[in-house]
Amino acid sequence: LAKTTQPISMDSYEGQEVNITCSHNNIATNDYITWYQQFPSQGPRFIIQGYKTKVTNEVASLFIPADRKSSTLSLPRVSLSDTAVYYCLVGDEDSNYQLIWGAGTKLIIKP
Amino acid sequence: SQTIHQWPATLVQPVGSPLSLECTVEGTSNPNLYWYRQAAGRGLQLLFYSVGIGQISSEVPQNLSASRPQDRQFILSSKKLLLSDSGFYLCAWSVNGGGSYEQYFGPGTRLTVT
Repeated sequence: LAKTTQPISMDSYEGQEVNITCSHNNIATNDYITWYQQFPSQGPRFIIQGYKTKVTNEVASLFIPADRKSSTLSLPRVSLSDTAVYYCLVGDEDSNYQLIWGAGTKLIIKP
Repeated sequence: SQTIHQWPATLVQPVGSPLSLECTVEGTSNPNLYWYRQAAGRGLQLLFYSVGIGQISSEVPQNLSASRPQDRQFILSSKKLLLSDSGFYLCAWSVNGGGSYEQYFGPGTRLTVT
C-alpha cells in the first residue's frame, strides 16, 4: 500500500504563511492529491485537490512537483481559527479504493 | 445541495452489546459511501466502502459489518461490541469514480464501549 508522510506537528503565528508537505512515493497515475482540515470532534472538511503543478482556491494553494511524489499545502496569512489537523489523501496504485490517509499534521497557530 | 446525516451523535454501550449506526445522504444519487473510525489523537482508518447497493468492501478484519440497503443509506453494525471498538465513527460520501477523492463527511458518532 502507498504510504504518506507528514510532519506530526507545526507551530506558526497569526499572519504568517504556513507550508505543510506530504510525501507519497506510490501515488497512482490517475489519482489526485487531496487535503483535508479537521477540527476536534468534527468530520474532516475538504480544502483543496490537485493533480499536477499548482492549484489555488480562496482558502489555500497546493503545489505538486512534476514527479508527483510529494505535495505542499500552503495556507496564506493564517489566523487562530486555522489551528486544526491537516491530512493529505492520495490514491493507491494497487486499488482504486484503498484510500490512504496520512497521519495528519497538527497545526497550532499562536497569537 | 447535498447533505449527510449520521446518528446518534454520541453513544455509550456495554461490552458485548450490539451496535447500529446509520448514515444517510441527500441531494445526490449513486454516491460512493465510506465508514471510517478515528481513535483519540489518531488519523482516520477506513473500515468499509461501497460503490453501490449491496456492494460492500471491507478494509480491516474486525467484528464490524456494513450494509447498504438503499442507494443513499449506509449502516454500520456489530453483534458484540469490544472495548477496542470505542472511537469516533465517521460516514462520508463521494462522487462515484474518476480517481478523485473529494469526500464529504458527516458530523460523526462518538462511541464509548464500557
